[in-house]
Amino acid sequence: DTGVSQNPRHKITKRGQNVTFRCDPISEHNRLYWYRQTLGQGPEFLTYFQNEAQLEKSRLLSDRFSAERPKGSFSTLEIQRTEQGDSAMYLCASSLAAGNTEAFFGQGTRLTVV
Amino acid sequence: DAKTTQPTSMDCAEGRAANLPCNHSTISGNEYVYWYRQIHSQGPQYIIHGLKNNETNEMASLIITEDRKSSTLILPHATLRDTAVYYCIVKSYNAGNMLTFGGGTRLMVKP
Repeated sequence: DTGVSQNPRHKITKRGQNVTFRCDPISEHNRLYWYRQTLGQGPEFLTYFQNEAQLEKSRLLSDRFSAERPKGSFSTLEIQRTEQGDSAMYLCASSLAAGNTEAFFGQGTRLTVV
Repeated sequence: DAKTTQPTSMDCAEGRAANLPCNHSTISGNEYVYWYRQIHSQGPQYIIHGLKNNETNEMASLIITEDRKSSTLILPHATLRDTAVYYCIVKSYNAGNMLTFGGGTRLMVKP
């Protein structure tokens, strides 16, 4: 399968713990995006990378959240000191860098903070 | 990016055309209309996009009014697998894929 891959698919963690999610984009895509989706709502943009550079961050991305894309390939999203309000689906998408190409989304990582 | 307004939900009979409307009255000249859908427990899937001309691909047709203030996504022969939430998104050419999703329309295709 050459689509966007996210791991793990599900994560249950205790409040206060740190979690890390991984996203492997489509190999030739140099743009990578992270979104968060809570139940019943549309996805909300968090941040995006062009190659290894993080070019945009939403106000939703609090200082407990950090994202990296060290070699311009896969990306990780870490949440420190998780809170119950962090429970959501975390979606990754990738696209080519041209302005008008569509985004390809992964199936997401569902985080439950208990 | 301009704001969009969509009905919360719609039903469609299997085999019939599904017409999903979207209002985007504040759209500006360099903004495109995109449609994505999200089937339960999956990530969003791109369907189609357009600027001012009608567009058609293997999944759907997009009809944009002449004043560009509204559009309609048409699934010509809806199947049960088209049951999903459909999002209409307006974005400028240079916005990349920093997409602003609204609430979308929940389409239920019924046998």
